[in-house]
Amino acid sequence: GAVVSQHPSRVICKSGTSVKIECRSLDFQATTMFWYRQFPKQSLMLMATSNEGSKATYEQGVEKDKFLINHASLTLSTLTVTSAHPEDSSFYICSAEPGQGFGYTFGSGTRLTVV
Amino acid sequence: QKEVEQDPGPLSVPEGAIVSLNCTYSNSAFQYFMWYRQYSRKGPELLMYTYSSGNKEDGRFTAQVDKSSKYISLFIRDSQPSDSATYLCAMRITGGGNKLTFGTGTQLKVEL
Repeated sequence: GAVVSQHPSRVICKSGTSVKIECRSLDFQATTMFWYRQFPKQSLMLMATSNEGSKATYEQGVEKDKFLINHASLTLSTLTVTSAHPEDSSFYICSAEPGQGFGYTFGSGTRLTVV
Repeated sequence: QKEVEQDPGPLSVPEGAIVSLNCTYSNSAFQYFMWYRQYSRKGPELLMYTYSSGNKEDGRFTAQVDKSSKYISLFIRDSQPSDSATYLCAMRITGGGNKLTFGTGTQLKVEL
């Protein structure tokens, strides 16, 4: 089955530093990937749509300069949380659709803790 | 009003019970419907994917879509403790950037 690999699974960083999260489609090509944020006991909130070879599309209220997205190849999208602060601590998840009719496959998520 | 409504639970059932999970939605343009299972601190796992109205069965899971009522269901037969998780419904329209709209999730606990 289609697999989306996400790394790291957990990261702790100091306030003011930047953190990069990788999302890879292992056995399919993904021209589009999606980045979500999830707070405890809440549903997934779409942050942005990552488009291979072009700029990401951000949802309303999401800071483009804080959450940098790069989709440089058909199998890799990265999310960089810049100048992280404690309020950025959350669970970040990426997803992609292997093909029409297959639904969306999600990565295992990254738990970010900013101290 | 949210586009997708889902009872957050928690829902507690004995092992072996039939579980019924439901979502209602307001956007009649939704055409693709999905159910995901999410264990704590993990990414969602796709359980069922359906297009438009009808039923779909896969093992112990059955998904139903009633577009006329804007209502979707997931049934779990012979529930097991390992089914204890949060179940999220998700749906999308044709086109529209392929974005998914999620329900809030229902927390299920299957007890021995």
